Amino acid sequence: GQNIDQPTEMTATEGAIVQINCTYQTSGFNGLFWYQQHAGEAPTFLSYNVLDGLEEKGRFSSFLSRSKGYSYLLLKELQMKDSASYLCAVMDSNYQLIWGAGTKLIIKP
Amino acid sequence: IAGITQAPTSQILAAGRRMTLRCTQDMRHNAMYWYRQDLGLGLRLIHYSNTAGTTGKGEVPDGYSVSRANTDDFPLTLASAVPSQTSVYFCASSDATGGSTDTQYFGPGTRLTVL
Repeated sequence: GQNIDQPTEMTATEGAIVQINCTYQTSGFNGLFWYQQHAGEAPTFLSYNVLDGLEEKGRFSSFLSRSKGYSYLLLKELQMKDSASYLCAVMDSNYQLIWGAGTKLIIKP
Repeated sequence: IAGITQAPTSQILAAGRRMTLRCTQDMRHNAMYWYRQDLGLGLRLIHYSNTAGTTGKGEVPDGYSVSRANTDDFPLTLASAVPSQTSVYFCASSDATGGSTDTQYFGPGTRLTVL
């Protein structure tokens, strides 16, 4: 079966760095997406990786290793507004997104 | 402002009743999707449409139906609601043509409670 694993919850301090991991087993691979979802709101797109390596976008970076079935989202200079759930999703061979359950990130002052 | 709208925002429904959740996008995206989101689970695809006039089944289609009469609208119908359909429903769209990895953009969601 298809499976996306990510930690349920993480806590970090304002101004610090946090890394959210995602491992996947899917039938085929056409890219990996990270979304941010604030409580009670819709998911919003953060990043897309299809080739191995690091993609940097401001305070957020995303890394992919296809051979290991592994990705991480790195958030730097954490701000209170970064408190949210972070969703990892893999596009399978049918071009459908398979979603992890999300990681709830709690930022403390 | 361009985007996706959903209606209603929330609804409490008696079991056995019929309900249609509405979704409209003004981005002229080809593909549209319906997901449900339940606590502790990832988003699960209910139905999708790669282009107007076509629809397909996702991971959890039972008890739901959709139609895609035009590019902008993609309503989701629960023919006879059951309590297990209590969930938050998200509509999404992308400029994909089937076989593309274009980003999906989400509507604000409908919170449905079936009693």
